[in-house]
Amino acid sequence: EIVLTQSPATLSLSPGERATLSCRASQNVSSYLAWYQQRPGQAPRLLIYDTSNRATGIPARFSGSGSGTDFTLTISSLEPEDFALYYCQQRATWPPATFGQGTKLEIK
Amino acid sequence: QVQLVQSGAEVKKPGASVKVSCKTSGYTFINYGISWVRQAPGQGLEWMGWISVYNGNTKYAQKLQDRVTMTTDTSTTTAYMEVRSLTSDDTAVYYCARDSITIFGVVTSPPLDNWGQGTLVTVSS
Repeated sequence: EIVLTQSPATLSLSPGERATLSCRASQNVSSYLAWYQQRPGQAPRLLIYDTSNRATGIPARFSGSGSGTDFTLTISSLEPEDFALYYCQQRATWPPATFGQGTKLEIK
Repeated sequence: QVQLVQSGAEVKKPGASVKVSCKTSGYTFINYGISWVRQAPGQGLEWMGWISVYNGNTKYAQKLQDRVTMTTDTSTTTAYMEVRSLTSDDTAVYYCARDSITIFGVVTSPPLDNWGQGTLVTVSS
């Protein structure tokens, strides 16, 4: 089973700042890595799939990069609604299509 | 617009079964799959499994495969997920999500691009 490790566990930033979230895989997942956002009390929402493709309706301030075992989600300039939980997920080798443990992006 | 509407909250006793439904609309049901993801209170996301509506193929998480069954009904565009032999560890919000399938080697869509609202399942004696 591929294990995804997200860092940091919590990221404290201010609106307007740049956020960089990391996801590291225990094995090569090629480009089959997605990112999801979850706001409190809501279902997750797909942000990025296949490492760098923005899902429909996702603002351009969200971008993804990486390959193999190291991936990054970048939010170029934080908006108030971006403070939430973020999860990465791999689909390279499944089942299971594992999720990372999450990064909480909180307001500083 | 694409919608996935799940059945309401359930309270079950240990050892019982629960079946959650996920009514879809706004897209061609048979061209996609459905994944199920659960989230225990205060915890992260756990992938449970996937079913292809196109051909009924399934993939389950190994820890659940003896207790979970995923099905679809194309006549009502509804997906179902049943968990048997419930324990307190199964207390969670259960989500369905539209997912991709692969037809002749081509992936048809992004993964988990639309989600249901979630169904809280509480297992308590």
